Amino acid sequence: KQEVTQIPAALSVPEGENLVLNCSFTDSAIYNLQWFRQDPGKGLTSLLLIQSSQREQTSGRLNASLDKSSGRSTLYIAASQPGDSATYLCAGVGGATNKLIFGTGTLLAVQP
Amino acid sequence: EAGVVQSPRYKIIEKKQPVAFWCNPISGHNTLYWYLQNLGQGPELLIRYENEEAVDDSQLPKDRFSAERLKGVDSTLKIQPAELGDSAVYLCASSLGDGSYEQYFGPGTRLTVT
Repeated sequence: KQEVTQIPAALSVPEGENLVLNCSFTDSAIYNLQWFRQDPGKGLTSLLLIQSSQREQTSGRLNASLDKSSGRSTLYIAASQPGDSATYLCAGVGGATNKLIFGTGTLLAVQP
Repeated sequence: EAGVVQSPRYKIIEKKQPVAFWCNPISGHNTLYWYLQNLGQGPELLIRYENEEAVDDSQLPKDRFSAERLKGVDSTLKIQPAELGDSAVYLCASSLGDGSYEQYFGPGTRLTVT
């Protein structure tokens, strides 16, 4: 059974810092990975999608990469801002299930 | 372009009562998903539709949960009767296709069973 681990579970940083969120899968055969943002009481907002032929994606201050050989992904946030405060979830599709399996998220707080 | 629409946003019911959630996916999205999210956890898939066909309902507790997607557009998820442990957020998502396509989520329905 695919399990997804996100480290750290919570993170607090001062504004302006660069930071990295980590995600790992027990089954490394991931062919599609999404990073989401979730604000309190809200749904999920898709941030980046890495498809099977890709290794990384960039959007503004965000960069996500996927190492398929190890089943690990990282989300890099540059020059963090208080508005980046939210829970960040990674989710992958792989193996025989063909369904999106989510991690438990990293709660990020960016202090002004 | 409108996103995924869900209603109601909040619902409070007593245990053993029925409840229904409605979802309208993004126009043109053939695949529709219902997820359950417990507090502090990531979403878990309940059921996936390809057009009007339920292609993966292995995680749906069929003794009390049911879903339908008539005409392959809107979908309804029902619980009857509700139990205390059903208190959670129910999220609907849609995508152009399955697997490699990006999923877009609605705001969710927060259910409280008392």
